[in-house]
Amino acid sequence: QQQVKQSPQSLIVQKGGISIINCAYENTAFDYFPWYQQFPGKGPALLIAIRPDVSEKKEGRFTISFNKSAKQFSLHIMDSQPGDSATYFCAASFYSGGSNYKLTFGKGTLLTVNP
Amino acid sequence: DTGVSQNPRHKITKRGQNVTFRCDPISEHNRLYWYRQTLGQGPEFLTYFQNEAQLEKSRLLSDRFSAERPKGSFSTLEIQRTEQGDSAMYLCASSFTRELFFGEGSRLTVL
Repeated sequence: QQQVKQSPQSLIVQKGGISIINCAYENTAFDYFPWYQQFPGKGPALLIAIRPDVSEKKEGRFTISFNKSAKQFSLHIMDSQPGDSATYFCAASFYSGGSNYKLTFGKGTLLTVNP
Repeated sequence: DTGVSQNPRHKITKRGQNVTFRCDPISEHNRLYWYRQTLGQGPEFLTYFQNEAQLEKSRLLSDRFSAERPKGSFSTLEIQRTEQGDSAMYLCASSFTRELFFGEGSRLTVL
């Protein structure tokens, strides 16, 4: 059972364009939604995160939009740069006891930004 | 470097051998997680420690897998009698709050 569904699987964008990656979740207990960026051979790095009490969060060129009623959230990368080329993962978590905030990840989106 | 450290970074082994991975979390983090990532997939949760106590294990963690975190500091993940299906990147993450910080992973190749 895939609890977090991510799309598209891959995305090609021109330099300066907007990259949009979408995720949908099923478990209404999820209350924390981060996005991670992963370069080849490296571990995932936290990019930006949102809680369901806000509809949007912006940090620099990265924005998360959150729609609680639709159980969807998305990552927007403005002015995309070749250095943004990486795999992006959405994730979700809820408190599952014992101070455990384990993350459930989507399958990832491979972003390629052409110069 | 004060990030999460994992060793070894790469391990190639023959089927049936035992392997052990080590994770050194960020020093003030009391929570430690192990994840497994296969090619083209997102990380999958394996197990969770709060301090030295292992509080949750995924059904993905078969009897051949064992994890420890003695004294609530570093952690080890051992895989006994490795199988080709164990080939993956094993990621360790630590946290003090809800933000998980991942290491660079230990890539296992089972021949």
